[in-house]
Amino acid sequence: GAGVSQSPSNKVTEKGKDVELRCDPISGHTALYWYRQSLGQGLEFLIYFQGNSAPDKSGLPSDRFSAERTGGSVSTLTIQRTQQEDSAVYLCASSLAAGPNEQFFGPGTRLTVL
Amino acid sequence: QKEVEQDPGPLSVPEGAIVSLNCTYSNSAFQYFMWYRQYSRKGPELLMYTYSSGNKEDGRFTAQVDKSSKYISLFIRDSQPSDSATYLCAMSHNQGGKLIFGQGTELSVKP
Repeated sequence: GAGVSQSPSNKVTEKGKDVELRCDPISGHTALYWYRQSLGQGLEFLIYFQGNSAPDKSGLPSDRFSAERTGGSVSTLTIQRTQQEDSAVYLCASSLAAGPNEQFFGPGTRLTVL
Repeated sequence: QKEVEQDPGPLSVPEGAIVSLNCTYSNSAFQYFMWYRQYSRKGPELLMYTYSSGNKEDGRFTAQVDKSSKYISLFIRDSQPSDSATYLCAMSHNQGGKLIFGQGTELSVKP
């Protein structure tokens, strides 16, 4: 079956604009995770969903970042008033359930803020 | 100090060599340990998944976990040019399942 998909694959935006990043998890996977990968910080956890609820948002770096998940499937990560330090690759992963299960990653969205 | 430390390399070896990749960690609550491989401009791909201490082997790959030393390793036997990638260790607690990653080690296997 299809793996995790993310769109767009690349996004270039101007400082101060809002962006939306989309993740389609593997069908049947109830848990969905967002991570950010940047040169200086490596791969960092942002938020995870179990179904449509987000029990752990501890990794969101500021209130400019938000995420939602609808229908237990697609998730959108929104960054408002983008800053240059938001430039990174945003990765989505899904797993059968939350907890110590294998997480399967998508290809990522490469965000560049000019 | 980061929770998970990993030497970023780069590491360059000749084809056929045995490769040893390592991570140390500080949080004794970690129970689940993973190794991911990431090719350039791709998402991480799960290679090995282990629970608690011990060894796990899968083909040319062997993962070792030593919880008493807070140290994990990945060994690659008979390395191939196609193994050239960045290798990331990752760990998690029981709850939630969020992964804490090392910085990644960039490996190059020369023909």
